[in-house]
Amino acid sequence: NAGVMQNPRHLVRRRGQEARLRCSPMKGHSHVYWYRQLPEEGLKFMVYLQKENIIDESGMPKERFSAEFPKEGPSILRIQQVVRGDSAAYFCASSPGNQDTQYFGPGTRLTVL
Amino acid sequence: AQSVSQHNHHVILSEAASLELGCNYSYGGTVNLFWYVQYPGQHLQLLLKYFSGDPLVKGIKGFEAEFIKSKFSFNLRKPSVQWSDTAEYFCAVTRNTNAGKSTFGDGTTLTVKP
Repeated sequence: NAGVMQNPRHLVRRRGQEARLRCSPMKGHSHVYWYRQLPEEGLKFMVYLQKENIIDESGMPKERFSAEFPKEGPSILRIQQVVRGDSAAYFCASSPGNQDTQYFGPGTRLTVL
Repeated sequence: AQSVSQHNHHVILSEAASLELGCNYSYGGTVNLFWYVQYPGQHLQLLLKYFSGDPLVKGIKGFEAEFIKSKFSFNLRKPSVQWSDTAEYFCAVTRNTNAGKSTFGDGTTLTVKP
């Protein structure tokens, strides 16, 4: 059973470009979570999704950030018009249910030049 | 707002020393508690978790943690650390009434000297 997959592992963007981060949950998991880790900090919750639904987006910045988890395919975290402050590691986790243990992917390290 | 505090930002130990990493949370309701480890260059792995039952939880690699409800604490312990335990350790809390969303501490970097 493959673990949570994230791609790309490293992403470099210039200010103003768009970043798309992908997350494929573990097989059988329908709950996906996105977290952001800034340097020297812990993980901060961004958004929680189930298939085709956003359950909790209380940690998402109000502008430029969006997330989806379509019926088919991976979950996507999209950052429009990136700025240097968006540089961070973005981790995805999945679980079979909302009270279950979350299993983390390897993360995508976004660098904005 | 709920918060998780890890008191030690960086801990340095010699091999065979005992380890205790502190974790306190602020939420007063029912919680699920986790410790994760992140080895250099790798992703987060679950060390152990507490949902209910025996407050002393055994995890992988000889780690254990004790949930003390009255102190809102979930400290991680290991009697004898090894060089391979060098990593960053994160405590996390999920509220039962706000399922899914985990709040993480800022992490403790453990360096074990051979």
